[in-house]
Amino acid sequence: QKEVEQDPGPLSVPEGAIVSLNCTYSNSAFQYFMWYRQYSRKGPELLMYTYSSGNKEDGRFTAQVDKSSKYISLFIRDSQPSDSATYLCAMSSNTGNQFYFGTGTSLTVIP
Amino acid sequence: SQTIHQWPATLVQPVGSPLSLECTVEGTSNPNLYWYRQAAGRGLQLLFYSVGIGQISSEVPQNLSASRPQDRQFILSSKKLLLSDSGFYLCAWSPGGVNQETQYFGPGTRLLVL
Repeated sequence: QKEVEQDPGPLSVPEGAIVSLNCTYSNSAFQYFMWYRQYSRKGPELLMYTYSSGNKEDGRFTAQVDKSSKYISLFIRDSQPSDSATYLCAMSSNTGNQFYFGTGTSLTVIP
Repeated sequence: SQTIHQWPATLVQPVGSPLSLECTVEGTSNPNLYWYRQAAGRGLQLLFYSVGIGQISSEVPQNLSASRPQDRQFILSSKKLLLSDSGFYLCAWSPGGVNQETQYFGPGTRLLVL
């Protein structure tokens, strides 16, 4: 079983829709949770990060962590064509120096 | 603010040729440094990471090697490239220490081995 599972999509939504991206994980030691956006042929860009459980909001983006279910989500409100990209979730723990990534979900927002 | 640089941006190399990719970080000290490879349509594969000068951990046996000659410099090398070495190579850094809250990526190097 992979440490982090992420549906690869692709996901296609109309402009203005609410997008929900999700990851599940198996290691209960994970404490830090990150979401990255990666445009084609570019390096991943850190969007948001959270510690432990709860919600964090930044503009149109909301990150949610449910440690009891080992489930994290990224919500994008009022999606824009510029949100079209691959979204990667990542997580880490207090021990070790590694980060564990999902395989990414490809999102297309149609004008 | 911190900045991470990678070069070259794109590289086309023949099979059997050597490789040297460079990564430098500005605006921070004692970072943890990482090399990943991202194949088309696949996730990130951790190749090497380093917690200090001269300290390299290898995650995947292969014909690649890494070195950290200075605190904020990380180099990925190969003596003889294989076709399977083609891919998108990403360097990343995270703050040193126990709490690994975040990781930041460079712009990447696209390598094509022919």
